[in-house]
Amino acid sequence: GAVVSQHPSRVICKSGTSVKIECRSLDFQATTMFWYRQFPKQSLMLMATSNEGSKATYEQGVEKDKFLINHASLTLSTLTVTSAHPEDSSFYICSAIPINNSYEQYFGPGTRLTVT
Amino acid sequence: QKEVEQNSGPLSVPEGAIASLNCTYSDRGSQSFFWYRQYSGKSPELIMSIYSNGDKEDGRFTAQLNKASQYVSLLIRDSQPSDSATYLCAGLDNYGQNFVFGPGTRLSVLP
Repeated sequence: GAVVSQHPSRVICKSGTSVKIECRSLDFQATTMFWYRQFPKQSLMLMATSNEGSKATYEQGVEKDKFLINHASLTLSTLTVTSAHPEDSSFYICSAIPINNSYEQYFGPGTRLTVT
Repeated sequence: QKEVEQNSGPLSVPEGAIASLNCTYSDRGSQSFFWYRQYSGKSPELIMSIYSNGDKEDGRFTAQLNKASQYVSLLIRDSQPSDSATYLCAGLDNYGQNFVFGPGTRLSVLP
C-alpha cells in the first residue's frame, strides 16, 4: 500500500516552454501533498505544500507564479513549471500523506526535468 | 530556524557490521521522526517512523529516539552492500504541519 506515482518520469523541454508534472496517490487519499526539488548531490528542498481544494503554501524563495500547483482531488496534485529555463533542470519529487495517517510521507519516484 | 542535522559522511562499514546513523534536531516541539533511504538517482523510501522515546525495531533496523537530548538514531544490523545509500532523517513538529529533513548521511557498506 501507500503507492505514489509521478508522470512523466523524465522530460526534456526547450527553454521558455512549460512542463506539467502529475503526482497521484494510487491506493489512498491524500489531503496533503508536498513538492520537492533536488539538485545533484544535494538534499531535498521543499518547494511547496499542496492541500486539496485550497491554495498551495510556497516556501520562501520559491516563485508561486513560476511553479503552479493544483491539488484538484484527493489523489492528484500537479506542478507546472512555467517558462522553464536551464536552471530549472532538476529532480522533482512529490510526496503524499494518507488521510488516515497524519504523519508518514510517501514519495513518488520523481521526475527528472532537463531544460535545454 | 528549525533544523535537523546529520553527518554527511560517507560512513563506511564492512559487510555484516552494525551501521549507526545519527541525527539531532533543534525544535524541541518535534514529536514525530522518520528515517528515509534514498538510492542515487531515486526518490526517498520510508524505512521507519518513531514517535516515542526508546527503541523501535523492524527487521534489521532499529530506530532510537531521545527527546531530552533531541537525538534520533538508526541502527542497521548485519549491513549489506545493498544498504549503501543516503539516509535522511526527518522531524515533524507538534502541530503536524512542518516537516524538516536533514541533509542525509551517505552510507557505504563494503563487501
